[in-house]
Amino acid sequence: AQSVTQLDSHVSVSEGTPVLLRCNYSSSYSPSLFWYVQHPNKGLQLLLKYTSAATLVKGINGFEAEFKKSETSFHLTKPSAHMSDAAEYFCVPGGSGGYQKVTFGTGTKLQVIP
Amino acid sequence: NAGVTQTPKFQVLKTGQSMTLQCAQDMNHEYMSWYRQDPGMGLRLIHYSVGAGITDQGEVPNGYNVSRSTTEDFPLRLLSAAPSQTSVYFCASSLLGTSGNTIYFGEGSWLTVV
Repeated sequence: AQSVTQLDSHVSVSEGTPVLLRCNYSSSYSPSLFWYVQHPNKGLQLLLKYTSAATLVKGINGFEAEFKKSETSFHLTKPSAHMSDAAEYFCVPGGSGGYQKVTFGTGTKLQVIP
Repeated sequence: NAGVTQTPKFQVLKTGQSMTLQCAQDMNHEYMSWYRQDPGMGLRLIHYSVGAGITDQGEVPNGYNVSRSTTEDFPLRLLSAAPSQTSVYFCASSLLGTSGNTIYFGEGSWLTVV
């Protein structure tokens, strides 16, 4: 079964500086991986997903993530943080067994300092 | 296209009362699920369903009932509300078939039990 570890519970960046949110995965086969974003008092929204196609995945709002098999990582990056990026981010493995029984961790809370 | 719709958005209950959180999706998704989100604990799966007439327990099912009489609807029932059930509840849905299917979330239901 797939699982992920988000290495930071909180990340703080200044507006205009790069964002790096780290996610490592553990899987015995090629996984599907997702990043979701949750803004305050909102539901979760899909940012991007990797499904064994291109290893560099571009998402919404200028975010991208690179699947690195050698490092078992799927880190989320953005070149320049905006105030509106302040939110909680979840790295999530795809479901296995033909249907999704996806588990979500505690996420990484991104703070953007003006 | 409405996506996943949850009602009510906010609810205050007294201990011992019962209530139903409604969830409907218009994407013909086979898979639907309910999560609760508590500070510092991420999203935890309560119940899920892979189709009409089929439901199963998740990680934290106690105190909750579900049913799936149609593909579109997946209500969550609190049988006798307790303060420990104060939380934010999210309904989610997705297609089945592969692990790369996106999960779509509702906007959340904030429940307070006093």
